[in-house]
Amino acid sequence: AQKITQTQPGMFVQEKEAVTLDCTYDTSDQSYGLFWYKQPSSGEMIFLIYQGSYDEQNATEGRYSLNFQKARKSANLVISASQLGDSAMYFCAMREGRSGNTPLVFGKGTRLSVIA
Amino acid sequence: GAVVSQHPSRVICKSGTSVKIECRSLDFQATTMFWYRQFPKQSLMLMATSNEGSKATYEQGVEKDKFLINHASLTLSTLTVTSAHPEDSSFYICSARTGERLYNSPLHFGNGTRLTVT
Repeated sequence: AQKITQTQPGMFVQEKEAVTLDCTYDTSDQSYGLFWYKQPSSGEMIFLIYQGSYDEQNATEGRYSLNFQKARKSANLVISASQLGDSAMYFCAMREGRSGNTPLVFGKGTRLSVIA
Repeated sequence: GAVVSQHPSRVICKSGTSVKIECRSLDFQATTMFWYRQFPKQSLMLMATSNEGSKATYEQGVEKDKFLINHASLTLSTLTVTSAHPEDSSFYICSARTGERLYNSPLHFGNGTRLTVT
């Protein structure tokens, strides 16, 4: 079974509008972490935001916020006030357990296109 | 600034040759590094976990004799693609955590290496 599911292969958003990128996850661990990365066409992976399974508040980092619904096992990324530079691939990822030596498992990604 | 440096960024080689990719942690020590592979328009797939001073742990389906990983120091891991074939053409990207004891520490990625085997 897929650990991370991103159901939107591609999304379009008008500049200055907000957009939500969906992510659902599957784990039986009580302790886990959820991450979002941005990958522009250059290929680099840019860390955006983190949400821990025990965090009661939704994470926020500037224009990025994470809508964490634990019971639904979803961790959607919300980008507010979209900019042309936000056009990129976005990956949701999960780390299971509390070890710092655990790799991340990635979803298939969502390609976001911001329209002027 | 970048915390993980990867070199080369792009390499083209002939079928049957070997290619070495270096991944360095900058200003921090990484006892563990992770190597991922990404085919065009696909996700990142974990290939192996590189452990300093010991053997790498490979994911199922990844040939350890083909993808040699050496993690000889706390700041350097290398991936060598041996006897490369066109199907090995891919984007290879390494990563490490700056705070290995911090479970909420994100993975920092190198800029990746685009390998093309002709």
